[in-house]
Amino acid sequence: AQSVTQLDSQVPVFEEAPVELRCNYSSSVSVYLFWYVQYPNQGLQLLLKYLSGSTLVESINGFEAEFNKSQTSFHLRKPSVHISDTAEYFCAVSDRGGSYIPTFGRGTSLIVHP
Amino acid sequence: DVKVTQSSRYLVKRTGEKVFLECVQDMDHENMFWYRQDPGLGLRLIYFSYDVKMKEKGDIPEGYSVSREKKERFSLILESASTNQTSMYLCASSPGQGRQYFGPGTRLTVT
Repeated sequence: AQSVTQLDSQVPVFEEAPVELRCNYSSSVSVYLFWYVQYPNQGLQLLLKYLSGSTLVESINGFEAEFNKSQTSFHLRKPSVHISDTAEYFCAVSDRGGSYIPTFGRGTSLIVHP
Repeated sequence: DVKVTQSSRYLVKRTGEKVFLECVQDMDHENMFWYRQDPGLGLRLIYFSYDVKMKEKGDIPEGYSVSREKKERFSLILESASTNQTSMYLCASSPGQGRQYFGPGTRLTVT
């Protein structure tokens, strides 16, 4: 069994400030890791994923996340946020052993103030 | 691009009504999922299907059933809607490895 903990339910920041959304997971096997973003009244969209290779993964809109196996973390960062980044962010993990059912965190609401 | 569509964006039903939520994907994915999303609780898995006519219960199947007669279509059925089923319902499909493609969601209100 696996679990995902998103340590902050809400993160308020000012525009152009850096932000980090924290995600920790537990699993008895190797994992795939994902960050999804949900804008108001929409479904979830994949932001970035770690499947293998480099532990630092980047999205096209400036977010990045680093897989840290020793700390079982996959924190999401952006050096300078925009108003348009205001959304709900979900971390998810699935095991490499064949199960295709991811476990989601409860979400972090990123609120960017002007 | 993978597209997952859901039959309604907003739905209002009365207590006791039978409710059908439909989901269609266009990428030939074998795996499909139904979640409900509530504030502070994240996504909770209701049912999933890994093949036509196959279904498995998720974490909160009570009060729901599903149907998958064709590979591209996965339906969620509320046999007798209740007010505690007021929620956002999200459908997803997946080619594997845990990566999921979500529909836009159906916001269901039961009065």
